[in-house]
Amino acid sequence: QVQLVQSGAEVKRPGASVKVSCKTSGYTFTSYYMHWVRQAPGQGLEWMGIINPSGGRTTYAQRFQGRVTMTRDTSTSIVYMELRSLSSEDTAIYFCARETNFDYVWGENWGQGTLVTVSS
Amino acid sequence: QSALTQPASVSGSPGQSVTISCTGTSNDVGSYTLVSWYQQHPGKAPKLVIFEDIKRPSGLSNRFSGSKSDNTASLTISGLQAEDEADYYCCSYAGSYTWVFGGGTKLTVL
Repeated sequence: QVQLVQSGAEVKRPGASVKVSCKTSGYTFTSYYMHWVRQAPGQGLEWMGIINPSGGRTTYAQRFQGRVTMTRDTSTSIVYMELRSLSSEDTAIYFCARETNFDYVWGENWGQGTLVTVSS
Repeated sequence: QSALTQPASVSGSPGQSVTISCTGTSNDVGSYTLVSWYQQHPGKAPKLVIFEDIKRPSGLSNRFSGSKSDNTASLTISGLQAEDEADYYCCSYAGSYTWVFGGGTKLTVL
């Protein structure tokens, strides 16, 4: 069965960077795009970007461009999301979510979420 | 990219039906048959309940249905049950491999 297991909670200082991982199993890693979504405390979902694990091509939401990098390691079937220049507004739960068998449709499988807390 | 517009909250009694709207623009909701809806219970990851405007994932209750007219998509939940109480988010493809979420709607089952 498809599993997405994310790395553990992080506490970071303002200005620092964080790298969250999403370890996948149960399917062919390079066959499905992966999305990243975040949710600030008590707030809604926010789409951050997408990565094609096959070639590594990425597209980011405009508000994160220049500050986020999504990468993948095909040898370990892990997708990463790195966010730089953190501020308190980046305190949120970060989720990875996999594409389905339908093009442009995603979100049947999610990671458990990673809480990133930015605090001085 | 602006967020899609959803009502902050809706409510209904058990057995009733409720509809949640999701208004976008001709650049997202109105351009593609690619609106999805997600259900999220507190402390949990979201769950896909509708995709491609009107389709249900395999195994999902047919009490959930989706529709769309022009730039507004809707999620209808019929025969409300206590377990339906959750936050609901719409999400639309917006072109060039980008997506946009709605602000979310809190459903209360009275």
